[in-house]
Amino acid sequence: DGGITQSPKYLFRKEGQNVTLSCEQNLNHDAMYWYRQDPGQGLRLIYYSQIVNDFQKGDIAEGYSVSREKKESFPLTVTSAQKNPTAFYLCASSRDSSAPLDGYTFGSGTRLTVV
Amino acid sequence: DQQVKQNSPSLSVQEGRISILNCDYTNSMFDYFLWYKKYPAEGPTFLISISSIKDKNEDGRFTVFLNKSAKHLSLHIVPSQPGDSAVYFCAASAASGTYKYIFGTGTRLKVLA
Repeated sequence: DGGITQSPKYLFRKEGQNVTLSCEQNLNHDAMYWYRQDPGQGLRLIYYSQIVNDFQKGDIAEGYSVSREKKESFPLTVTSAQKNPTAFYLCASSRDSSAPLDGYTFGSGTRLTVV
Repeated sequence: DQQVKQNSPSLSVQEGRISILNCDYTNSMFDYFLWYKKYPAEGPTFLISISSIKDKNEDGRFTVFLNKSAKHLSLHIVPSQPGDSAVYFCAASAASGTYKYIFGTGTRLKVLA
């Protein structure tokens, strides 16, 4: 079955540490996205990528970095510069811009906690 | 500035009755609208969509209504079932070639048996 796989499901980070969240899709989708969910704030866009080797900042990119070396993969690194990283992180993908009403397919999320 | 707003954080409805979830937006450039359903600790799942050229779209028990002049959309679930209990997000995007969806804050629906 096609879908998006996020790993790990739970992640604990110490202060000052960088951590990388994995996102892999086998839907042959062109675009991929990272969102962050905090209580009462809905989903906020961190980064997105429409094609391989290209990505753009979303609304809250500070303290995060991404890469898109393969169509299937879009890992997110939470750096020590991110002041409040504890949140639920969601990866999503979509077909190209010809099908906006198909929406996104989301992964099951990674909960990151700073300890 | 919140461009997509869901002003009701929660809603309780009796099983079998209608659930109406509301969403308001401020950007008149939005052309595409989606509704997602989300269970705890899971990713959102797509429910239904509508474009600005239509004012209604129906899929089984789910109907989305769009009022462009009021910048308002709503999701109707009829009849409501206990399995519909979840958080519902609306999302909007402009037809700019990059379909970045902006999400509302969500409404938690509880369907009472």
